[in-house]
Amino acid sequence: DAGITQSPRYKITETGRQVTLMCHQTWSHSYMFWYRQDLGHGLRLIYYSAAADITDKGEVPDGYVVSRSKTENFPLTLESATRSQTSVYFCASRAPDSSYNSPLHFGNGTRLTVT
Amino acid sequence: EDQVTQSPEALRLQEGESSSLNCSYTVSGLRGLFWYRQDPGKGPEFLFTLYSAGEEKEKERLKATLTKKESFLHITAPKPEDSATYLCAVQAEETSYDKVIFGPGTSLSVIP
Repeated sequence: DAGITQSPRYKITETGRQVTLMCHQTWSHSYMFWYRQDLGHGLRLIYYSAAADITDKGEVPDGYVVSRSKTENFPLTLESATRSQTSVYFCASRAPDSSYNSPLHFGNGTRLTVT
Repeated sequence: EDQVTQSPEALRLQEGESSSLNCSYTVSGLRGLFWYRQDPGKGPEFLFTLYSAGEEKEKERLKATLTKKESFLHITAPKPEDSATYLCAVQAEETSYDKVIFGPGTSLSVIP
């Protein structure tokens, strides 16, 4: 089925370990985003990408790395996980639109726990 | 500073009891305001986009309205399946990057 697939759905890791969250979309949307969702903060943008090989920081990028070698994939890596990175992570995509008003389409999230 | 707030934080309604959710925003320039629905364990699902003050959009029991400083999501005769968290987001005019600011959401429970 078309859409955004995130994997894994749940992940438990230890402090200091590297972990990669995967995101795959089948729409060929040029824009892709990573958000984290925490109680009391809502959704906050970590990184985004306007196209393959083009990425930029969002509101809370520290401790995260992204890459985008192919349009359909946008992995998010926590280089050395910390407890403060325990959260639910959502990947989203958006079709290109000259007015930048097209909505975001979200995956079902990865719940990450750092112990 | 650009900001989006939502009220109430949580709302409990009896089936059929109409009400409204509020989204207040302060941004330097508004390109669009979005409403999303989020079910537990799922990602947000797009409902509406509003572009200018006075605009209204409807979908089943939901109607979204927009003024210069806030948006309302009116729920008419809600059913238990309307229970979810409703998120408001604004697309700000931003020259450096594509920026969408989300509010914290309103958790709606509709009791049979």
